[in-house]
Amino acid sequence: SQKIEQNSEALNIQEGKTATLTCNYTNYSPAYLQWYRQDPGRGPVFLLLIRENEKEKRKERLKVTFDTTLKQSLFHITASQPADSATYLCALERDNFNKFYFGSGTKLNVKP
Amino acid sequence: EAGVVQSPRYKIIEKKQPVAFWCNPISGHNTLYWYRQNLGQGPELLIRYENEEAVDDSQLPKDRFSAERLKGVDSTLKIQPAELGDSAVYLCASSLFGGETQYFGPGTRLLVL
Repeated sequence: SQKIEQNSEALNIQEGKTATLTCNYTNYSPAYLQWYRQDPGRGPVFLLLIRENEKEKRKERLKVTFDTTLKQSLFHITASQPADSATYLCALERDNFNKFYFGSGTKLNVKP
Repeated sequence: EAGVVQSPRYKIIEKKQPVAFWCNPISGHNTLYWYRQNLGQGPELLIRYENEEAVDDSQLPKDRFSAERLKGVDSTLKIQPAELGDSAVYLCASSLFGGETQYFGPGTRLLVL
């Protein structure tokens, strides 16, 4: 069965540093992968999508990489700010018809 | 533009009682999803609708859960009877047909005592 792994331990970093979050998966080759942000008491909010034929995607201070050989995606936030503190979820699309499997998320704490 | 609306936001019930959640998706979004999110976990798909048709309900515990989307717009998810293990956040999301981006509502936090 599909398994998606994200670091279960919280990531604590200092403001201004780059945060790097990891998403590993097994047993499947998704057509694309997404990253979401979730704040306490709220639903996930879409951030970025990267396709299997793309190595890297950027949006403002966010960068996502996708290595289909390693079956891994890395999510980077540069010049992190306390407002970036949240849980970040990766989601894989499978079955080529908008069925998504989510990882359990990594909590990011950015300290001022 | 209004986002996905869910109600109620919180619900506390005793086990064996019924409960229902309501979702109104973003206008024009044909696809509607219901997810369950346990504490510390990611959302897990329960059911997906394309218009009024349930195209994927393989993860829906059909002995106690039911859902409907009668006019292809808003949707209701019901649990009857509720069990202690049903305590979770129930999220509704919507997207355009074939769309790659899901828009989530704030969720309904259910506590079964």
